[in-house]
Amino acid sequence: DGGITQSPKYLFRKEGQNVTLSCEQNLNHDAMYWYRQDPGQGLRLIYYSQIVNDFQKGDIAEGYSVSREKKESFPLTVTSAQKNPTAFYLCASSLPVQDTEAFFGQGTRLTVV
Amino acid sequence: KQEVTQIPAALSVPEGENLVLNCSFTDSAIYNLQWFRQDPGKGLTSLLLIQSSQREQTSGRLNASLDKSSGRSTLYIAASQPGDSATYLCALWNTGGFKTIFGAGTRLFVKA
Repeated sequence: DGGITQSPKYLFRKEGQNVTLSCEQNLNHDAMYWYRQDPGQGLRLIYYSQIVNDFQKGDIAEGYSVSREKKESFPLTVTSAQKNPTAFYLCASSLPVQDTEAFFGQGTRLTVV
Repeated sequence: KQEVTQIPAALSVPEGENLVLNCSFTDSAIYNLQWFRQDPGKGLTSLLLIQSSQREQTSGRLNASLDKSSGRSTLYIAASQPGDSATYLCALWNTGGFKTIFGAGTRLFVKA
């Protein structure tokens, strides 16, 4: 089945730790995105990538980093510089054109302990 | 700056009722508008995509309309069922930028 797989579903981070969230897609999409969702708020864009080896900051990139070494994969690292990382993180992909449907993974819930 | 607003924030209706969810936006220069469904703790499921040149899209009991001139989209759900209970999000793709802007969502509860 084609789709987007995020792992793990739940992740716990200690203060000062970096953690990496995985996102893999087999839809052959060039564009991939990372969003953060907080209660009562809309999704906010962290980073996006239109093509392999290229990515751009979204609205809330501080404290996060990404890589795009393969078309299928777009991992997100939440660094210790992110002061309030507890949130629900969603990965999405689409064709690299601006009028196409976006598809989402099932999300990773990150909690700081 | 584009702003997307969804009203109401929450809605509770009895089973069988027809209902309308609203999405408004401030800048009409959009490529498309997409409606999503989100169940608690889950990702987003795409329901309908309306291109900027279209006025509406239909899928089963769902109908979404788009009026760019007034900055509004509505999602109509016919004969609501308890299984429709979820949060519904609208999102649009602005021209001049490569990202989607989301509303905060409407949380729907359909009572059996």
